[in-house]
Amino acid sequence: EPEVTQTPSHQVTQMGQEVILRCVPISNHLYFYWYRQILGQKVEFLVSFYNNEISEKSEIFDDQFSVERPDGSNFTLKIRSTKLEDSAMYFCASREEEWEFGYTFGSGTRLTVV
Amino acid sequence: AQTVTQSQPEMSVQEAETVTLSCTYDTSESNYYLFWYKQPPSRQMILVIRQEAYKQQNATENRFSVNFQKAAKSFSLKISDSQLGDTAMYFCALDSGGGADGLTFGKGTHLIIQP
Repeated sequence: EPEVTQTPSHQVTQMGQEVILRCVPISNHLYFYWYRQILGQKVEFLVSFYNNEISEKSEIFDDQFSVERPDGSNFTLKIRSTKLEDSAMYFCASREEEWEFGYTFGSGTRLTVV
Repeated sequence: AQTVTQSQPEMSVQEAETVTLSCTYDTSESNYYLFWYKQPPSRQMILVIRQEAYKQQNATENRFSVNFQKAAKSFSLKISDSQLGDTAMYFCALDSGGGADGLTFGKGTHLIIQP
């Protein structure tokens, strides 16, 4: 069964550093998403991406964050000048054109800012 | 704005029992989708079941079924013959924006299956 692949699975970074989280969505999917889950809390929507541009973004997704689809397969989330409160699980998800099939999530990247 | 509420932070049942997890939601959209996701200790998000709002028939997937009450905006998950591997966080999620603004999740219910 097709999977959404995320790398790395765990990243530790110093406060103030920039990190790039990588995702390879399912090849025939057209919509891509990033979500965040702070430990013990609910999953929160960050941003959606379609047709090589951002469709929607939440209030969490401020100027510290950016997304990019640099080639035909990768979808990246960049977090600049990381803060302690950016420590969380970050999930990438993708879905087909047809709404009804739902979203496929990657296994997540655990980001720890120290 | 759409909201999803899960009022049971934690539930515990014996193996082989049936358990029902509650979820209520609010949206002004007439067409939407509802999902239940399972998050085991590995923290991966696994789709359990989905329901289309315009379909009156409740969705079922093997031991998992939903009770979708559209007028009441209720979407509960029933797990029959519960197994130890069902122990996980369960999140109810709503998609009513055509996918542009993704899923809105509830806070989750931690389900523990006791041997």
